[in-house]
Amino acid sequence: DGGITQSPKYLFRKEGQNVTLSCEQNLNHDAMYWYRQDPGQGLRLIYYSQIVNDFQKGDIAEGYSVSREKKESFPLTVTSAQKNPTAFYLCASSIEWNTEAFFGQGTRLTVV
Amino acid sequence: GQQLNQSPQSMFIQEGEDVSMNCTSSSIFNTWLWYKQDPGEGPVLLIALYKAGELTSNGRLTAQFGITRKDSFLNISASIPSDVGIYFCAGQRLPGYALNFGKGTSLLVTP
Repeated sequence: DGGITQSPKYLFRKEGQNVTLSCEQNLNHDAMYWYRQDPGQGLRLIYYSQIVNDFQKGDIAEGYSVSREKKESFPLTVTSAQKNPTAFYLCASSIEWNTEAFFGQGTRLTVV
Repeated sequence: GQQLNQSPQSMFIQEGEDVSMNCTSSSIFNTWLWYKQDPGEGPVLLIALYKAGELTSNGRLTAQFGITRKDSFLNISASIPSDVGIYFCAGQRLPGYALNFGKGTSLLVTP
């Protein structure tokens, strides 16, 4: 089946540790995105990539890093510099930049 | 990016009732999308709108692209318990701009 796969579904980390969230898609989409969701805040854009080997900061990129070495993969690293990392993280992709976006099932990160 | 104003924030209705929610912006938008999110899951695209005045249906769901290009509406007819979830609007101002999301409308349906 085609789709977007995020793993793991739940992730726990100690404060001060970096952690990488996986996002893989087999839809042959060029564009990929990472959003952060907090209760009552809606979705906020962290990073996006319009094409392989290129990515741009979104609205809340501080404390995060990404890479886009392959079309299918867009991993997100939450670094120790992110002050409030506990959140629900959503990856999405679209055929072209900002056409209809399709989302993965999300990763809930809890930092203790 | 600009956040859209989505209302109401939450709704608590009885099964069988119709539901209306809307999304507004101070800027003109080129595209409006409506998503539904079940608890602990990613949003699922319900309806996409690309033209001012456009009215599009998907089963019991109907969405409209406002004629001013600054708003959009989603209606759900004859609600059922599985309609429970959070509904998000998303808009794109111009090609090349990022999607902007509303904060969501939480819908609860009682049998």
